Amino acid sequence: EVQLVESGGGLVQPGRSLRLSCTTSGITFGDYAMSWVRQAPGKGLEWVSFIRSNRFGGTTEYAASVKGRFTISRDDSKNIAYLQMNSLKTEDTAVYYCTRDHYNSFDYWGQGTLVTVSS
Amino acid sequence: DVVMTQSPLSLPVTLGQPASISCRSSQGLVYSDGNTYLNWFHQRPGQSPRRLIYKVSNRDSGVPDRFSGSGSGTDFTLEISRVEAEDVGVYYCMQGTHWPRTFGQGTKVEIK
Repeated sequence: EVQLVESGGGLVQPGRSLRLSCTTSGITFGDYAMSWVRQAPGKGLEWVSFIRSNRFGGTTEYAASVKGRFTISRDDSKNIAYLQMNSLKTEDTAVYYCTRDHYNSFDYWGQGTLVTVSS
Repeated sequence: DVVMTQSPLSLPVTLGQPASISCRSSQGLVYSDGNTYLNWFHQRPGQSPRRLIYKVSNRDSGVPDRFSGSGSGTDFTLEISRVEAEDVGVYYCMQGTHWPRTFGQGTKVEIK
């Protein structure tokens, strides 16, 4: 059974940092690219960040709204993807979903972790 | 960025009747490999999204065959042949051809 489990969310003040983790099982993690997608309260879906498999260099892509502040990474030995979020803003408040990339899309999703940026 | 425009944004439907959602992209979605990376997702209240369709018309495993996707170029459609109660929620189209990947605004489907 495929499982993607996000953790690390919580309440944080503007300007502070948070690191999200996505622990996976049931997939050959190292073979796949991974993405983070977020959803602000009551709003639609927004793609945030992407990391290729190490076979393709492990290179990354970011949405303009987070570029320079967020960093995606992966640890294939632990089957975990990370999202380091720095200089957080109130508009980063959202549920953050970890997803597996498949055909330039997202076939498996975690349950999400809520990040609230507020003073 | 490629803008994905869905219509309608709200769709009241009758159980057992067909339903259709349109998605239009501001640019063509044919990738250099010849594939068109247009996808459809369904999100029930309080749940994570679930992919239904990838590459325009390919149903994901376990997706009922009452769901079908079609289209080309910049115009795409998700059709439900006979709506069931479990189909309520929000449907999103998403393009994976161009960076950044972008979603439509969502179409809320509810039972009349």
